[in-house]
Amino acid sequence: DAKTTQPNSMESNEEEPVHLPCNHSTISGTDYIHWYRQLPSQGPEYVIHGLTSNVNNRMASLAIAEDRKSSTLILHRATLRDAAVYYCILIGVQGAQKLVFGQGTRLTINP
Amino acid sequence: GAVVSQHPSRVICKSGTSVKIECRSLDFQATTMFWYRQFPKQSLMLMATSNEGSKATYEQGVEKDKFLINHASLTLSTLTVTSAHPEDSSFYICSARDRGGLAGGWNEQFFGPGTRLTVL
Repeated sequence: DAKTTQPNSMESNEEEPVHLPCNHSTISGTDYIHWYRQLPSQGPEYVIHGLTSNVNNRMASLAIAEDRKSSTLILHRATLRDAAVYYCILIGVQGAQKLVFGQGTRLTINP
Repeated sequence: GAVVSQHPSRVICKSGTSVKIECRSLDFQATTMFWYRQFPKQSLMLMATSNEGSKATYEQGVEKDKFLINHASLTLSTLTVTSAHPEDSSFYICSARDRGGLAGGWNEQFFGPGTRLTVL
């Protein structure tokens, strides 16, 4: 699976937008971009995924660069409950669809 | 979203004993489940892929005789840590892949809450 690069940590304030970047310059044409997050002492939870177009759901938005070599997860109004480690993962639809986690970005939200 | 449960949520055992961890998909069928291990302050490390009715596929460096995986039904996979030692103390997490596919061929995966194993 192609590798992703994320900042180790980011900090933001409550009720402000947060933009979490992810670089994936070796992405293949059939790789989907997935975001998961892990709250302390819990299993990861799905946030959002996309292929080429920007995506929105109730949790977040995903902005995908035109060349697909980078993407940004957008939390529109961060809350304290959004403090977590966010993982950007590329997955091809063929085969086992294994999720291989990198180090992710630890997001801290200040009250 | 769909629910995946793990049992027990926390277990403490003596060195040399075996521990079984269960992973269940509660409201969907999962032909494939995955087992991860996570040490403090580190990311999740994929240990193995568990396929219903067949042998598990282990990642490189994971001892299959130490970490026994059984996926006997479409809703249950078990991980048995045999002859546990203190270095096996970790947070073990499973995920289950929904048998029904989504548009584009992606089968959504759901994670369990994790099992914290402490080996004394």
